[in-house]
Formats: sequence, structure tokens, C-alpha cells
Amino acid sequence: AQSVTQLGSHVSVSEGALVLLRCNYSSSVPPYLFWYVQYPNQGLQLLLKYTTGATLVKGINGFEAEFKKSETSFHLTKPSAHMSDAAEYFCAVSDWGNYQLIWGAGTKLIIKP
Amino acid sequence: NAGVTQTPKFRVLKTGQSMTLLCAQDMNHEYMYWYRQDPGMGLRLIHYSVGEGTTAKGEVPDGYNVSRLKKQNFLLGLESAAPSQTSVYFCAVRGQGGQPQHFGDGTRLSIL
Repeated sequence: AQSVTQLGSHVSVSEGALVLLRCNYSSSVPPYLFWYVQYPNQGLQLLLKYTTGATLVKGINGFEAEFKKSETSFHLTKPSAHMSDAAEYFCAVSDWGNYQLIWGAGTKLIIKP
Repeated sequence: NAGVTQTPKFRVLKTGQSMTLLCAQDMNHEYMYWYRQDPGMGLRLIHYSVGEGTTAKGEVPDGYNVSRLKKQNFLLGLESAAPSQTSVYFCAVRGQGGQPQHFGDGTRLSIL
């Protein structure tokens, strides 16, 4: 069965520092990959997605992610953290039939002033 | 364009009561999903539908029923609410292929 692993339930960075949120998936074929963000008391919002083509994907709010097939990874980065980035971030991968998404457990990003 | 609308937004029930959560979409997407989100548990799929008149079980279907009589609506029912069903419920919709899921704002349900 497919699975998604997000390393670290909580990640803390200083304002202005690099943000790196890790996501690894188990799949033998290139899947569709997604990152979502959830602000407190809100629904999930799509940050970015990888389907085909360029492996470096740019999303909203200055975030980007790189699909690395050899490492089965899709890590999320942002060069300079802002206080407004404090939220929970979820990585997801499509299942074989593409009906469902397999979700990671989420990583809460904490921004220190 | 509302996208995905969930009603109600908040509800408090007593154990044993029943209720229905409504998800309505104006995106004309085929696939619809019901999730529950609990602290530290991430998102767990309850039921989903790949088209009008079809439903399928997800990861945690027990205690819930669903119906998709119209393409734009997906209903989630609790026949006899239990405290373990206290959660935030999210509806999501998706087009075909590699399309992402689009989420509603959630329903916060408390069972006393």
C-alpha cells in the first residue's frame, strides 16, 4: 500500500530563515504529488502540485517543491520564512487509481520572531 | 463562485441523535470526498463518490452513511451520534486525472 511520510510533526524556524518541510512517499511509478496548507480554523488550500513535466514546482506564497524520483521525495521549501507562514502543511500523493489521495500526517510550521 | 460549500459550519449533538451534513459544489466535478480531521491524526477518509449515484467506503466508514443523488451534492449522515464522532469534517471535490482536491471550510461537530 502506498504511504506518505512527513518528517517532523512540528518544525520551528526563525523569521527570515529557510523553510524546509520533508515529504517522502512510497511508489514505484511517478505519482501525482500535492502540498496543502491549513491555517487555524480553516480548510485546506492547495499550495502546489506535481503532475508531469518540470520537477521543480512553484506554488503560492513563495513556496516551491522538487520532485526527486530517485529519492521518492517531494520536499517543500521557502527561502525566507514570514510570520504569516505559520500553519499546518500536508503532503499528499494520488493512489494507483487516482480516486483517492494518500495523506501525510501533517507538519506544523512555527515561526519564531 | 462558491466552490465547495459545507453546511452547517458548527453543530452540537447529544449522543444518539442523528444528523446530516451537506456538501454542495458548483465546480461540476465528478469526485467527492468526506474526511474527518482529529488532532494528531491528520485527514482520514470516511466515504467518497466517483459520480452521481455511486459511493464507496474509505478508511473509517463505520457509523456513517452517505448519498450522492445529485452530482453537485454529497451528504454525510450520522444515524446515532457517538462522542467518538466529535471531529472536524471536511468535504472535498476533484476533477479527473491529476486534478487536486478542493476543500470546503469544514463542519465542527461536537457530540456530548
